[in-house]
Amino acid sequence: SQQGEEDPQALSIQEGENATMNCSYKTSINNLQWYRQNSGRGLVHLILIRSNEREKHSGRLRVTLDTSKKSSSLLITASRAADTASYFCATGYSTLTFGKGTMLLVSP
Amino acid sequence: DAGVIQSPRHEVTEMGQEVTLRCKPISGHNSLFWYRQTMMRGLELLIYFNNNVPIDDSGMPEDRFSAKMPNASFSTLKIQPSEPRDSAVYFCASSQELQADTQYFGPGTRLTVL
Repeated sequence: SQQGEEDPQALSIQEGENATMNCSYKTSINNLQWYRQNSGRGLVHLILIRSNEREKHSGRLRVTLDTSKKSSSLLITASRAADTASYFCATGYSTLTFGKGTMLLVSP
Repeated sequence: DAGVIQSPRHEVTEMGQEVTLRCKPISGHNSLFWYRQTMMRGLELLIYFNNNVPIDDSGMPEDRFSAKMPNASFSTLKIQPSEPRDSAVYFCASSQELQADTQYFGPGTRLTVL
C-alpha cells in the first residue's frame, strides 16, 4: 500500500500561530497532494507537489517533500479560525490513497 | 462549473432495502471515483472508472455493492440489500486524468441504515 500517514492525529492552536502537519508514505510516488475537509463536506484539493520538487508555496501554505525520507510536511502560516478542518495527504501512481488525516482546531 | 454533484445528500433506510447513490462528475473529466468514509476506516476507495469503464473494483466490500457508469456524465453506486454496517458517508470524485491527478470531490451522501 502507498498509504500516507499523517501526524499528529490532532492539533490545537491559537489564531495567528503556525500549524505543521506531517505525512509519511511507503513506496515511490509521482506526486503527493494535500486536501482539506471541513466538517460535513467533501475534500478540497489544496496543493500538489511532484516527486522532483522539494518545496512549494500557495498563499499561506507551504509544502515540503523529502523523497529520501518518504515524508512531506504542510505548514499553514498565520492560522485563522476558518482553517479549522481535517487535512489529508494523498499519494499514488494511478489512483490516490488517503491517510487518516490530521484534525486541526484553530481557536480565536 | 457546478462541480461534482451527488444525490441524495442524506439517505436513511432500513436494513434490507436497496440504496442507490448518484453522481454527476465535472464535465470533461475522464476518471470517476467512489469512496466511503467512516471514523474507523477513514477514506476507502471502492471503485474507479476511466472513460466510463470500470478499472478496479477491488475495494468494493461485497457483492451487495455494484457501480455503473452508463455515460460520461452519470454514475451510480448501488447497495442491495443494505446493512447497518454500510452506514457511512459516500463520496464521488472526478479527475481529468487517471494518473494520480487532482481529484474534485462531491459533497457526499450520508447513508444511515437502520
